[in-house]
Formats: sequence, C-alpha cells, structure tokens
Amino acid sequence: EPEVTQTPSHQVTQMGQEVILRCVPISNHLYFYWYRQILGQKVEFLVSFYNNEISEKSEIFDDQFSVERPDGSNFTLKIRSTKLEDSAMYFCASSANTEAFFGQGTRLTVV
Amino acid sequence: RKEVEQDPGPFNVPEGATVAFNCTYSNSASQSFFWYRQDCRKEPKLLMSVYSSGNEDGRFTAQLNRASQYISLLIRDSKLSDSATYLCVVSWYSSASKIIFGSGTRLSIRP
Repeated sequence: EPEVTQTPSHQVTQMGQEVILRCVPISNHLYFYWYRQILGQKVEFLVSFYNNEISEKSEIFDDQFSVERPDGSNFTLKIRSTKLEDSAMYFCASSANTEAFFGQGTRLTVV
Repeated sequence: RKEVEQDPGPFNVPEGATVAFNCTYSNSASQSFFWYRQDCRKEPKLLMSVYSSGNEDGRFTAQLNRASQYISLLIRDSKLSDSATYLCVVSWYSSASKIIFGSGTRLSIRP
C-alpha cells in the first residue's frame, strides 16, 4: 500500500539552527501539506502546496518557514532559525483531491 | 468562530456503550468531510469519509448536515481498541487547497 514517508523520525536541534524536514508523498498525489502538533494540542495547518507553488498558508507559516519540492518526489519543510516554541511533531500529508494521507511525523525538539 | 469545532471531551465510557461526537464547520464552501483517528503520538489516520446521505462502516456511522454545517460520528458497541482521539476534518479544493482539523475529542473506553 502506498504511503507517505518522513525523515528523520526525530530531530534535535539547537535554538537558532536551521532544520530541513523531508517528506516523500504518495507518487500520484497532487496536493501536499505540512501540519504541526505541539504536544497535547491540536493538529495545526501550516501550508498547502499545489502545482509547484504554495496554495495556502496559515498565520503560523511566517518568514522563518519555507517549502520546496526540489525534485519529482521530495517535499521539504525548512525552518530557518528555530525557536524553542517550534518543538512539535511535524506531519506531512498528501492528497489526490479527496482524503489526505499522513506520514508518521518528525518529532522536532529545539533545545 | 473557529473553522472546525468539536466537542471538547474527554469521553470516558464503558465497553459496549454507544458514543456520539459532534462537529461544526464555519466555511459553507467546504466540500469534503472526514473523521480521522489519532492514537497517542501517532499520525492521524482516516477513519471514514462523511457523505450527505450518511454512511456506515461496521460499528461506525457518520452523518453530514450541510444546511446546519454539522457532522457527527456514532460508535456503537464500543471496544477498548476504540480509545483514541477522533478528529473532525473539513476540506475544500480549488486552486487553494486546504484541509482543516478540529481540535479532536479524546475517547477512553473502560473495561
């Protein structure tokens, strides 16, 4: 069964450092998403990506965040200068135009 | 008003009980509706889509009322394994795609 894969599963970084979270969406999907979930809180929408550009982004997705689809398979989320409050689980998802399928997440810990 | 609102929970019910979750959404242009399940520290997984005519999958029944912008999930004969957080999800697709999660309702089934 096709699945969304995310790497790494856990990333520890120092405050102020840049991190790149990687995702390989399901191959025939057209819509790609990043979400985050701070421990004990709700799943929050960050950004959606369609046709090689951002189609929608939330207030959380400020200038420190960026997304890229550098080749035909990967979809990355870059956080330029991490803050303590960026510590969360980051989920990538992809969709063919109906339900979204999620990767297992990257747990980001900023120290 | 939040884009997607759910019963806050938590619900703590005995095994075999029937439990119902409710959800309202604010965007009348919403096109697709889902219930996801999330286990502790795991990614959200699709439980079922929700259709206007209502749909059933085993012990689970989902209903959609577009006029009231209201979605429900009914779980009959609950099992211990049903313990999880249930997420109401609403999406709309166009050139700007977005999938929004409710805050989730935690369900705990006791023996």
